Amino acid sequence: DQQVKQNSPSLSVQEGRISILNCDYTNSMFDYFLWYKKYPAEGPTFLISISSIKDKNEDGRFTVFLNKSAKHLSLHIVPSQPGDSAVYFCAATEPSNQGGKLIFGQGTELSVKP
Amino acid sequence: NAGVTQTPKFRILKIGQSMTLQCTQDMNHNYMYWYRQDPGMGLKLIYYSVGAGITDKGEVPNGYNVSRSTTEDFPLRLELAAPSQTSVYFCASSYGWDSGNTIYFGEGSWLTVV
Repeated sequence: DQQVKQNSPSLSVQEGRISILNCDYTNSMFDYFLWYKKYPAEGPTFLISISSIKDKNEDGRFTVFLNKSAKHLSLHIVPSQPGDSAVYFCAATEPSNQGGKLIFGQGTELSVKP
Repeated sequence: NAGVTQTPKFRILKIGQSMTLQCTQDMNHNYMYWYRQDPGMGLKLIYYSVGAGITDKGEVPNGYNVSRSTTEDFPLRLELAAPSQTSVYFCASSYGWDSGNTIYFGEGSWLTVV
């Protein structure tokens, strides 16, 4: 049972356009959501996060939106750049009374074409 | 500025062999983790440690063992390698995993069991 789901394994976007990566979750008690970015042959690196009490967090070209009623979050990258091509993992933090672990989605591979 | 360092980068094992994946971090983090990444499956937590002398099972601990004798080191042991353990392994560390504490990953170890 996948608690964090990224249903799109891949996404292709033209340079300069918006990239939207989606993530759904099942546990309404998750209290923090994070996005990690992973290049080939490297470990994932932290990109941006959002607390469950907020609905938007912005950092430069990256914005994460959280819709708690729909149990859905999305990462917007605008404008997209070829260097953004990577695998993006959505992750959620269990509350401490459920173990406090970080649960990852399957990842979405983003390809930004020049 | 080493961060999380894991070795070896690549290894081929025969079925039934044993080996240890080494992991060390220089950020004085209390929390350390081992994840495995299988294609299309995201990152699964194998074992974690909240401090020296303390370890606990994650989502997929079977076939693995860990120890945490120092704050810096968190080796992962495979006692009887099986083809199902062919994967990419990531060691990671953080100050904690509540409230969205960022997890820092190593570069990964590619293990093939034949």
